[in-house]
Amino acid sequence: AQKVTQAQTEISVVEKEDVTLDCVYETRDTTYYLFWYKQPPSGELVFLIRRNSFDEQNEISGRYSWNFQKSTSSFNFTITASQVVDSAVYFCALSPRGDDKIIFGKGTRLHILP
Amino acid sequence: DSGVTQTPKHLITATGQRVTLRCSPRSGDLSVYWYQQSLDQGLQFLIQYYNGEERAKGNILERFSAQQFPDLHSELNLSSLELGDSALYFCASSVGQASSYEQYFGPGTRLTVT
Repeated sequence: AQKVTQAQTEISVVEKEDVTLDCVYETRDTTYYLFWYKQPPSGELVFLIRRNSFDEQNEISGRYSWNFQKSTSSFNFTITASQVVDSAVYFCALSPRGDDKIIFGKGTRLHILP
Repeated sequence: DSGVTQTPKHLITATGQRVTLRCSPRSGDLSVYWYQQSLDQGLQFLIQYYNGEERAKGNILERFSAQQFPDLHSELNLSSLELGDSALYFCASSVGQASSYEQYFGPGTRLTVT
């Protein structure tokens, strides 16, 4: 089965705290792609990152970082020094090679409190 | 702004009716994807077109159909509408045909069926 699980439905943190959003995936494919998308209150989904299954290097982009661990089938997303503008729903997604469907997790709603 | 446009922004219609949602992809993108986002089902992939041809199918009902025209814009037709079809419908585009490419989402069309 191919599946993406975001166990955290909703998280609230105070501004400037660090927060990690969890993503666990299931696939039998050896080649696959993982994504994170952000959906701010305006509604439009925004692409954040794509990783392929052969690249386990962690990635940092400003205050955002991603930890990909094949051993635990996880692709977690950390926001450092969170800001109110980070408040959004964040989706993790899986694209298995050879299957052109993309599977989204249910999303994690993140509230950054001032 | 992702460069993907969708019209209309909002649509209110009655059960049993038929509606057409329109999407224009980013300049240069050949793939168009349609998604349905509802509170209970989350973000569900419906269908993908690549350069005018159907490429992949997801959880699309038989009452729904789509097409991509020579100018690459796409339309999603929803017929015999039911209350449960009320949702946010997103269009996304990408440059390649595989779902491993990052997708750029439009602002969505909010459909309310009464």
